[in-house]
Amino acid sequence: DAMVIQNPRYQVTQFGKPVTLSCSQTLNHNVMYWYQQKSSQAPKLLFHYYDKDFNNEADTPDNFQSRRPNTSFCFLDIRSPGLGDAAMYLCATSSRQGIYGYTFGSGTRLTVV
Amino acid sequence: GQNIDQPTEMTATEGAIVQINCTYQTSGFNGLFWYQQHAGEAPTFLSYNVLDGLEEKGRFSSFLSRSKGYSYLLLKELQMKDSASYLCAVKDSNYQLIWGAGTKLIIKP
Repeated sequence: DAMVIQNPRYQVTQFGKPVTLSCSQTLNHNVMYWYQQKSSQAPKLLFHYYDKDFNNEADTPDNFQSRRPNTSFCFLDIRSPGLGDAAMYLCATSSRQGIYGYTFGSGTRLTVV
Repeated sequence: GQNIDQPTEMTATEGAIVQINCTYQTSGFNGLFWYQQHAGEAPTFLSYNVLDGLEEKGRFSSFLSRSKGYSYLLLKELQMKDSASYLCAVKDSNYQLIWGAGTKLIIKP
């Protein structure tokens, strides 16, 4: 089945230690998104790629970076995780205008110790 | 600013019907989505409305009134597995999804 895969499912990292979360898709969707979601809150868009075009949300901290080396893969790099960065990180994909909504990966639960 | 409002929490009884409301104010409108999210999991797509009216899909139905900036998700014959958060999201004029904070639905036996 075509899908969006996130690894790892759970990630524990030390305060200030760089961490990378990965996302891959077999849907051949043009657009890939990274969301941060904290408990009982709406998903917060961090950035998205429209093909290779990178779009950063204005309020996304510089601590968060992203790479999309090809259509299938997208990475979220957190350069110096703080305690406030503990959250669920969701990768999603959509076709060009997302008419049929987004397909989400299973998410990565990040814990910062 | 852009805003989506939905109740924080609702409680219903197994076998009953529940309606979860969503109101929105967004810059443009290109469709409204409902997603289900179980605790600790990713959202899963439930429904999509772009024209006014009711869309029925099994036990779940979704209604849209664009003039009122209003939608609801209707869940019938509630089952315990329906306990989850239900998120309303609107695609704005830039085709970006604006998310509500979700409604936590608690089903009691």
